[in-house]
Amino acid sequence: GAVVSQHPSWVICKSGTSVKIECRSLDFQATTMFWYRQFPKQSLMLMATSNEGSKATYEQGVEKDKFLINHASLTLSTLTVTSAHPEDSSFYICSAPGTGETEAFFGQGTRLTVV
Amino acid sequence: AQSVAQPEDQVNVAEGNPLTVKCTYSVSGNPYLFWYVQYPNRGLQFLLKYITGDNLVKGSYGFEAEFNKSQTSFHLKKPSALVSDSALYFCAVRRLNRDDKIIFGKGTRLHILP
Repeated sequence: GAVVSQHPSWVICKSGTSVKIECRSLDFQATTMFWYRQFPKQSLMLMATSNEGSKATYEQGVEKDKFLINHASLTLSTLTVTSAHPEDSSFYICSAPGTGETEAFFGQGTRLTVV
Repeated sequence: AQSVAQPEDQVNVAEGNPLTVKCTYSVSGNPYLFWYVQYPNRGLQFLLKYITGDNLVKGSYGFEAEFNKSQTSFHLKKPSALVSDSALYFCAVRRLNRDDKIIFGKGTRLHILP
């Protein structure tokens, strides 16, 4: 199946700094990428949809200026957590959605810890 | 509105016994249904899907799921559980509109007891 590579797998940063998470589609082109956030023992919360060549669309309640999403090419989408705070600590997962009958493919996830 | 419900937060099963993880859905039109598994600090792995055809769908690692239209259910099953099956399982339905978003259930933690 298709491969989605997400890096880094874990990162620790100081409060107030910014962190960039990359998501690459290795053997296919992804015009759309979904970004999720997962709290401990909870389900995935869709944060935003990145669209190649256009602005990302954010779900209600997600701060656009805090979670910057860029889809620079058909194989790369990035999520930047700006001015991170401890409450931003979470597990972030990207996904190439697939369409219609095809399943979605997920990155390995990034564990962000803000200290 | 489309939704997915996983009524159990946790399921405990003895190794070697059959397991069932429950899922019900609400969707207009024909559903595209999926099961995913997540191991600690990892992304989701695809297990199986129902699109059309046979109600019993077979997937990875010996898992299968039965689509029941009258009960709007898509329960995940395995005849004989392994300790390595212990993980978090998500049922999902695809929204059949232009955005193709996937709606996930809250997840069910499966514990296989040795």
